[in-house]
Amino acid sequence: NAGVTQTPKFRILKIGQSMTLQCTQDMNHNYMYWYRQDPGMGLKLIYYSVGAGITDKGEVPNGYNVSRSTTEDFPLRLELAAPSQTSVYFCASSYSRAGSTDTQYFGPGTRLTVL
Amino acid sequence: GDSVTQMEGPVTLSEEAFLTINCTYTATGYPSLFWYVQYPGEGLQLLLKATKADDKGSNKGFEATYRKETTSFHLEKGSVQVSDSAVYFCALRLSEKLVFGKGTKLTVNP
Repeated sequence: NAGVTQTPKFRILKIGQSMTLQCTQDMNHNYMYWYRQDPGMGLKLIYYSVGAGITDKGEVPNGYNVSRSTTEDFPLRLELAAPSQTSVYFCASSYSRAGSTDTQYFGPGTRLTVL
Repeated sequence: GDSVTQMEGPVTLSEEAFLTINCTYTATGYPSLFWYVQYPGEGLQLLLKATKADDKGSNKGFEATYRKETTSFHLEKGSVQVSDSAVYFCALRLSEKLVFGKGTKLTVNP
């Protein structure tokens, strides 16, 4: 199992450009998440998905979009990049069902700089 | 809302020293509690967890006890190693979402 994989590892964008951060998991997890980590801060939830075709906003969704067409993939889209979106982005997944506590598995992260 | 407060870092220790990283939480229900560790250049990994009051999570010599009366989940290790140098995050889980503290950077010197 590769676990959770993310591409690219690093990216520099100019203000106003768009890009998609890719995330794939091979553990057949139903839940997937996108977080951002700003320097000296904890992780903040951007969007999450409880299954294919279902997504919901987290704490900081503005400026981002997601889709979940398959169980494995959960891409994060930035349409008009802004300097405030400079951050490290982590994708995570878990297998969740009612009443159970499930570990979230994290990818290695994508470091994005917007200039 | 739900929140997690960790002690401010950075923390610098010598090898074989005792480690405590404080974590307290605020939650409306009965959360599960977690410690995650992030080694340099990597994603977060689950270190240990506890799902109910008085549970003790343990892994790799680290321990934390879920204290409902003090709403705390302090991380401890009796003798740290250089390889423990990392950032440690306390987190709580209610429903499907995790809420993280800001993280505490630990550096262990030989």
